[in-house]
Amino acid sequence: GQSLEQPSEVTAVEGAIVQINCTYQTSGFYGLSWYQQHDGGAPTFLSYNALDGLEETGRFSSFLSRSDSYGYLLLQELQMKDSASYFCAVRGAAGNKLTFGGGTRVLVKP
Amino acid sequence: DVKVTQSSRYLVKRTGEKVFLECVQDMDHENMFWYRQDPGLGLRLIYFSYDVKMKEKGDIPEGYSVSREKKERFSLILESASTNQTSMYLCASSRRVDGELFFGEGSRLTVL
Repeated sequence: GQSLEQPSEVTAVEGAIVQINCTYQTSGFYGLSWYQQHDGGAPTFLSYNALDGLEETGRFSSFLSRSDSYGYLLLQELQMKDSASYFCAVRGAAGNKLTFGGGTRVLVKP
Repeated sequence: DVKVTQSSRYLVKRTGEKVFLECVQDMDHENMFWYRQDPGLGLRLIYFSYDVKMKEKGDIPEGYSVSREKKERFSLILESASTNQTSMYLCASSRRVDGELFFGEGSRLTVL
């Protein structure tokens, strides 16, 4: 089976940097994805890492280390609108099933 | 703009009732998914479909069935609703089976 661990909640102030870690156990591995979900809204895709290293998209970056079964999402220059839940998800051996972590709720304070 | 539409945002049903949750996507995507979301458990895959009339079980299919008669429509069926099926249900679609998921707004089901 597949399992993912991520912190349940993180609080930070506007302008700060937040790192959300995700460790996973999976039989086979095809990539690590991150999704953002605002309260009452639909999850939306943020990033995907299939290879080791850092992928940067604006203020958000995602990192993957396949040898450590570990990744993180880095949120820089935090804004109030970044208050949301963030989910990591892995695609395992079957390739067609995306398994999600429990989600990290990020609260940004003024 | 891509769109996944779920027919009901909120439903209240009684134990034993048959429940239909409908999902329609307008992106001509081959693949459609049903997840349920519960606090602390993330999103768990119930069923998915990679083609019309095709379906595969996800991680928690017990108590659910699905129907995909047309490419754009994927229905989740609870044959006999139970209180432990009270949850948020999210439908998603993707162009590739391993591609980015596009989610609907969700259907919050309460079973009394």
